[in-house]
Amino acid sequence: DQQVKQNSPSLSVQEGRISILNCDYTNSMFDYFLWYKKYPAEGPTFLISISSIKDKNEDGRFTVFLNKSAKHLSLHIVPSQPGDSAVYFCAASGSGGSNYKLTFGKGTLLTVNP
Amino acid sequence: EPEVTQTPSHQVTQMGQEVILRCVPISNHLYFYWYRQILGQKVEFLVSFYNNEISEKSEIFDDQFSVERPDGSNFTLKIRSTKLEDSAMYFCASRPGTGHYEQYFGPGTRLTVT
Repeated sequence: DQQVKQNSPSLSVQEGRISILNCDYTNSMFDYFLWYKKYPAEGPTFLISISSIKDKNEDGRFTVFLNKSAKHLSLHIVPSQPGDSAVYFCAASGSGGSNYKLTFGKGTLLTVNP
Repeated sequence: EPEVTQTPSHQVTQMGQEVILRCVPISNHLYFYWYRQILGQKVEFLVSFYNNEISEKSEIFDDQFSVERPDGSNFTLKIRSTKLEDSAMYFCASRPGTGHYEQYFGPGTRLTVT
């Protein structure tokens, strides 16, 4: 069941540069998308989200872009900092229900090098 | 800042034994969830709980699993007869309510079944 896909298992960027993490989904019923960050031995931490009626949401250094026609979203981190090094999960919600359970991708390990 | 807490952080049990994983969701949240992550795999939805009853469960959540909110603060996941394949990180999450889609996760309980 690959309703949410993160095709890059890892990404390495230099401090100060832009990090772009990508996510694709297949289920047209998803209407809300979220990004989580996870450090080892911790639970996922909510970062930023976007509703399917928008194409962009920005919060400080983090911006999420949604392309509904392509069923694709991306997370931009500018500028990247070493503390951003973590696993980033894309998650989707909706699927026609009201419980808003989350369907996760496999995650992308971001490494920001000083 | 309010947070979801989980105990224990690590539980080791023998196959066939019962385990209870405990969670204290954020106090004014209305929706509660359990997820699990088997090593190297995705975070998977197990069950959602609202208004003192299960609102949705996945195929994984069979008769061996149960959830309870015994008082106003705790939310528990019980596995009646553990199997080796139940070894995973178990995450509890809570969500404020209508209009809020983001879920807040606890640090997880690592369950090891031997």
